[in-house]
Amino acid sequence: QAVVTQEPSLTVSPGATVTLTCDSSIKPVTSGHYPYWFQQKPGQAPRTLISDISDKHPWTPARFSGSLLGGKAALTLSGAQPEDEAEYYCLLSSIPGRPVFGGGTKLTVL
Amino acid sequence: EVELVESGGGLVQPGGSLRLSCAASGFTFSSYAMSWVRQAPGMGLEWISAVSSSGDRTYYADSVRGRFTLSRDDSKNTLFLQMSSLRVEDTAVYYCTKNGGPVATHPHHWGQGTLVTVSS
Repeated sequence: QAVVTQEPSLTVSPGATVTLTCDSSIKPVTSGHYPYWFQQKPGQAPRTLISDISDKHPWTPARFSGSLLGGKAALTLSGAQPEDEAEYYCLLSSIPGRPVFGGGTKLTVL
Repeated sequence: EVELVESGGGLVQPGGSLRLSCAASGFTFSSYAMSWVRQAPGMGLEWISAVSSSGDRTYYADSVRGRFTLSRDDSKNTLFLQMSSLRVEDTAVYYCTKNGGPVATHPHHWGQGTLVTVSS
């Protein structure tokens, strides 16, 4: 099965912009991978931030956006807030019907 | 408002069986595919299974295929995960999810999870 790779950790200053990426071992990430992004805070269930590359949910803060960047899926946080400190996971369907999560990126806002 | 409430978790011995349930409300259950995602203690998320809205398509991760069976009862708005031949490495919080469409495998809404502990 495909291996999905994310940065293990990133640090961003309050108000700054940071981009998290999500890569597949099988081939460049495209819309056919249906890239999704999730946020999980300690002790909480995950919540879905971004669907299908860049679609936001009603609860998704406007400062989050999704895109494809250099063959990877990307999550950009513009104007980081202290409450954005969390683990972020991507999900890709490199093989149809076999979605795989990335290992997660621990984002620190400091 | 979408609500997903998991139940059925607990302590089970290796080789044993357990059935998880997920009671859904706040949406037309029969119109959406559903999934289970698990998270071992201190680890990341692992997608393990999905079922289409019609129930005729099921998908499984390699780690659980042949041991876990996903089903749904649309008359009760309930999703089930029958787990057998359980292993220590199946210990995790199991999340029920509502997916993005009738055959989608990716989660949109999440329950709060139920803990399954496999230990002797």
